Amino acid sequence: DIQMTQSPSSLSASVGDRVTITCRASQTISTYLNWYQQKPGKAPNILIYAASSLQSGVPSRFSGSGSGTYFTLTISSLQPEDFATYYCQQSDSDPRTFGGGTRVEIK
Amino acid sequence: QGQLVQSAAEVKKPGASVKVSCKASGYTFTSYGINWVRQAPGQGLEWMGWISGYNGHTKYGQQFQDRVTLTTDTSTATVYMELRSLRSDDTAVYYCARDVDYGGNFYYFDPWGQGTLVTVSS
Repeated sequence: DIQMTQSPSSLSASVGDRVTITCRASQTISTYLNWYQQKPGKAPNILIYAASSLQSGVPSRFSGSGSGTYFTLTISSLQPEDFATYYCQQSDSDPRTFGGGTRVEIK
Repeated sequence: QGQLVQSAAEVKKPGASVKVSCKASGYTFTSYGINWVRQAPGQGLEWMGWISGYNGHTKYGQQFQDRVTLTTDTSTATVYMELRSLRSDDTAVYYCARDVDYGGNFYYFDPWGQGTLVTVSS
């Protein structure tokens, strides 16, 4: 199985901050990498697919980059509604494993 | 477009089975597969398996292979997830999620059901 490792596991930031979350795969996955946002008590929602493609309706302050084994999710200017947990997921092979999550909290 | 609506929360005793439903609407059911993902309290996301809405073909995560069965009812556009021999560590929210193929073997999950809490307790 491909292991996905996110860092940090949590972070505190202020509104307006630039935030970057990293995700590493245990083996190369090209750009078969998705990012999801999950708010407490809710199901996850897709933000970015194929490492850098923004899902329709997702604000442009979210961006993704990377290929191979190293990926990043960046929020250019953190907004109040962005405080949530973020997960990466590889879709290169089954099982389609998720990272452990990064919780973004208010400083 | 598309919506997935799951069945209500369940409380089960250890050793029992649970069957959770996921009803699809707003899209052609047979054109997409459905994944199941679970999330234990305060924990991350764990992929359990996938079923084709077209022909019922299934794929399961190795840790669930012997205990989970996914089935479909195309007449009602509903997918079912049955988990057997329940243990306390199966207590989790179980989600269904549509498998979106955007070409080139790229997939992502969208939309997701609202989740079904399954509590296993004696």
